[in-house]
Amino acid sequence: NAGVMQNPRHLVRRRGQEARLRCSPMKGHSHVYWYRQLPEEGLKFMVYLQKENIIDESGMPKERFSAEFPKEGPSILRIQQVVRGDSAAYFCASSTPAGRGWNEQYFGPGTRLTVT
Amino acid sequence: AQSVTQLGSHVSVSEGALVLLRCNYSSSVPPYLFWYVQYPNQGLQLLLKYTTGATLVKGINGFEAEFKKSETSFHLTKPSAHMSDAAEYFCAVSGRNTGNQFYFGTGTSLTVIP
Repeated sequence: NAGVMQNPRHLVRRRGQEARLRCSPMKGHSHVYWYRQLPEEGLKFMVYLQKENIIDESGMPKERFSAEFPKEGPSILRIQQVVRGDSAAYFCASSTPAGRGWNEQYFGPGTRLTVT
Repeated sequence: AQSVTQLGSHVSVSEGALVLLRCNYSSSVPPYLFWYVQYPNQGLQLLLKYTTGATLVKGINGFEAEFKKSETSFHLTKPSAHMSDAAEYFCAVSGRNTGNQFYFGTGTSLTVIP
């Protein structure tokens, strides 16, 4: 009974390169959330997706960041032209549909992105 | 708008002593409240949650928290600290009317002294 899977666990990119972070939700979960954790800070919501649909992207930076959750395969968080300020831990969480306004989110181990 | 304040970014207790980690929230309506624990280089694990009903909530590993609406607080306690409790603890809220987005506090790092 695998939990939320994220890969890679560690990713090093040079400034200007692209970073692709993958998240496979728990079996039976159709909703995915991405959070960013900067050093010495809490997790900040970025985006909430269900398959083939972005539900809430109010936490996503306006430029260079995008997310998708295709019908088949993992959810992808894509960061184009990375800068040093993008260095952080990126966490994915998944849940079943929020039938009554909330549902427990299960977190993956995170991807630690370092931009050199 | 929702927000969470965790007082004390670092807390140290002796093994066997009481653990008290503070969390205050700001919300226009009573929110759903959560405590998560994060061990080094790992993801977050749910300790306990309050959604409705009894305001004293018991979680895993002997932790509990009490929702106090009048104080807008949801402090986490454990009567006797164990070495294995050393970790980062995050308080989070989710709005009853704002979907499933979680708002996290900045975290409290708990150190347990032998």
